[in-house]
Amino acid sequence: DAGVTQSPTHLIKTRGQQVTLRCSPKSGHDTVSWYQQALGQGPQFIFQYYEEEERQRGNFPDRFSGHQFPNYSSELNVNALLLGDSALYLCASSLGAGANVLTFGAGSRLTVL
Amino acid sequence: GQQLNQSPQSMFIQEGEDVSMNCTSSSIFNTWLWYKQDPGEGPVLLIALYKAGELTSNGRLTAQFGITRKDSFLNISASIPSDVGIYFCAGQLGYGGSQGNLIFGKGTKLSVKP
Repeated sequence: DAGVTQSPTHLIKTRGQQVTLRCSPKSGHDTVSWYQQALGQGPQFIFQYYEEEERQRGNFPDRFSGHQFPNYSSELNVNALLLGDSALYLCASSLGAGANVLTFGAGSRLTVL
Repeated sequence: GQQLNQSPQSMFIQEGEDVSMNCTSSSIFNTWLWYKQDPGEGPVLLIALYKAGELTSNGRLTAQFGITRKDSFLNISASIPSDVGIYFCAGQLGYGGSQGNLIFGKGTKLSVKP
């Protein structure tokens, strides 16, 4: 039973570029949440998708957007990259939008130069 | 963004020692969770607490949901080398879909004593 899979695992971008990160949830899960984890910090909630709609959003600018597909997989898009966007981006899946038992993926490490 | 106050930030352990860490918040939480993150991996859930005063064990791990609902602690008994890693507390403010996101602490890094 595959857990949460994320791609790519590592990527390097330059300031001003755009990036798309992808996530496949654990089998049986229908909700995807995205978190940003800066070096030495705990994960920070970006947003959550359920039934192909953004249900909740953390304190992140509109440069951060997402999408959920009918198969429950999800994408995180970040436009106009800043140096401060360098972080590990974690995808977590769950069953139901209010669930607190999340299964995390290993993350996508983004470096912005 | 809002984060929980987690302490200590780091600690060194010797095999066999007991370990304690805690988390406090200015906000009341309805759920407390403890996660462990190994290098190159995402956080893995260790223990979930749903009621004030609740004490829950998972093997050598024991966690408690503070009676004020503003704090929680995690104890590890008889530590072993594979306990090394970063431990995060996380809280959830509400129930249901309206407040499902988690707020994480900054983590407690467990290392082996040189």
